[in-house]
Amino acid sequence: GNSVTQMEGPVTLSEEAFLTINCTYTATGYPSLFWYVQYPGEGLQLLLKATKADDKGSNKGFEATYRKETTSFHLEKGSVQVSDSAVYFCALSRSGGGADGLTFGKGTHLIIQP
Amino acid sequence: DAGVIQSPRHEVTEMGQEVTLRCKPISGHDYLFWYRQTMMRGLELLIYFNNNVPIDDSGMPEDRFSAKMPNASFSTLKIQPSEPRDSAVYFCASSLEMSSPLHFGNGTRLTVT
Repeated sequence: GNSVTQMEGPVTLSEEAFLTINCTYTATGYPSLFWYVQYPGEGLQLLLKATKADDKGSNKGFEATYRKETTSFHLEKGSVQVSDSAVYFCALSRSGGGADGLTFGKGTHLIIQP
Repeated sequence: DAGVIQSPRHEVTEMGQEVTLRCKPISGHDYLFWYRQTMMRGLELLIYFNNNVPIDDSGMPEDRFSAKMPNASFSTLKIQPSEPRDSAVYFCASSLEMSSPLHFGNGTRLTVT
C-alpha cells in the first residue's frame, strides 16, 4: 500500500537558517505529492504540490521537487522565519488533488527561534 | 468563503456516551472527508463522500463509528458508545472535484474520560 515517511521532529532552527525536511514515499503508479502545514489550533493548509516527476512545487519561499528516482519530495526553504513555526505534513494521492483520500506522513514539528 | 466549519471545537465526554461531530463543507464542494489525528497514528482517513454518497469507509475503525451526509452542506460523524481510545482531533475536509486540493476545518478535539 501507499505510505509516506518523513523525518521526526521537533526540528529547531534559528531565524534565517536553511531548512530541509525529508520526505520519502512508497506508492504504486504515479502519485501526486503534497506538503501541508498546520499552525497551532488550526486545520491543515496546502503549502505546495507536484503532480509528476521533476515538477517543483513552490509557495511562500518553500520548495520541493518530485524525485521519482529516489521516491522523495524534500521540503526546503532558504531562510526561515519565526512565523514558519508549525507542523509540516508530507502526503501523497493517487489522484491529482486527493479526492481518493490523501496518505499523510506523521508530521514534522518545526520550531524557529528568534 | 467561510471555509470548512466544524463544531464543536472541543468535546469532553464520559466513556459510553454518544458523541456527534458536525461539519459544513465549503459550498459547491463535491467531496467531503473525515480524518482522525492522534500522536501515535498521525492522520488517518476515516471515510469520504462524493455528492453526499459514501465512497470509501474502509478507514472507519469499527461499528461504533458512523458517518452521514444528508445533504450537500452538512455531515456528521457519530461515535456510540465512545471509549477513551477515541480521544483525538477529528478533521473534516472538502474539495471541489477530484483534482482539487483539500480544504480542512479547524478540527474537533474529542476527549473521552
